[in-house]
Amino acid sequence: AQSVTQPDIHITVSEGASLELRCNYSYGATPYLFWYVQSPGQGLQLLLKYFSGDTLVQGIKGFEAEFKRSQSSFNLRKPSVHWSDAAEYFCAVGGSQGNLIFGKGTKLSVKP
Amino acid sequence: NAGVTQTPKFQVLKTGQSMTLQCAQDMNHEYMSWYRQDPGMGLRLIHYSVGAGITDQGEVPNGYNVSRSTTEDFPLRLLSAAPSQTSVYFCASLASGEIDEAFFGQGTRLTVV
Repeated sequence: AQSVTQPDIHITVSEGASLELRCNYSYGATPYLFWYVQSPGQGLQLLLKYFSGDTLVQGIKGFEAEFKRSQSSFNLRKPSVHWSDAAEYFCAVGGSQGNLIFGKGTKLSVKP
Repeated sequence: NAGVTQTPKFQVLKTGQSMTLQCAQDMNHEYMSWYRQDPGMGLRLIHYSVGAGITDQGEVPNGYNVSRSTTEDFPLRLLSAAPSQTSVYFCASLASGEIDEAFFGQGTRLTVV
């Protein structure tokens, strides 16, 4: 069955520190992978996506993610976190027939 | 471009009432979906459609109905609201199956009392 696991429910980092959010997926074919961010009370904004090709993808707001097929992972990274990055982050895999399978999310808090 | 538009943004219902959450997209996308978001659960698929006249159930379809009479619109109906349906609902659309970005509406926050 297709699934996405985000092992960390809540992460706190200091402003300026680096960030890595973990995502593992289970999918039978070549996965199409996404990271979305959701600020409180807001909708979902796409940070980046992986369809094929270069396994390191760049997104908006200084985020990047690396696809590792051998580990079934698609971890999100940012070298220096800003207070405005505090939000909830969702990893998703593109399922069949146009729907997405989401992880349960990781809430990021940023300490001043 | 409007993208994906959901109405209403907020709604309070009494148990047993019915209502329809509206979703419209102006991108001529074939694929549309409804998700619900609950704390600690991520987004879960309720129903989806791969084109006008074609719908199917997702992970959590009970208590919800959908129809797709046009490409643009994909309403979600609650026939008899229950407190367990208190949630934030998101509609999404995309142009093709797996290989594309989904566009989301801003969500509808529904409270059933």
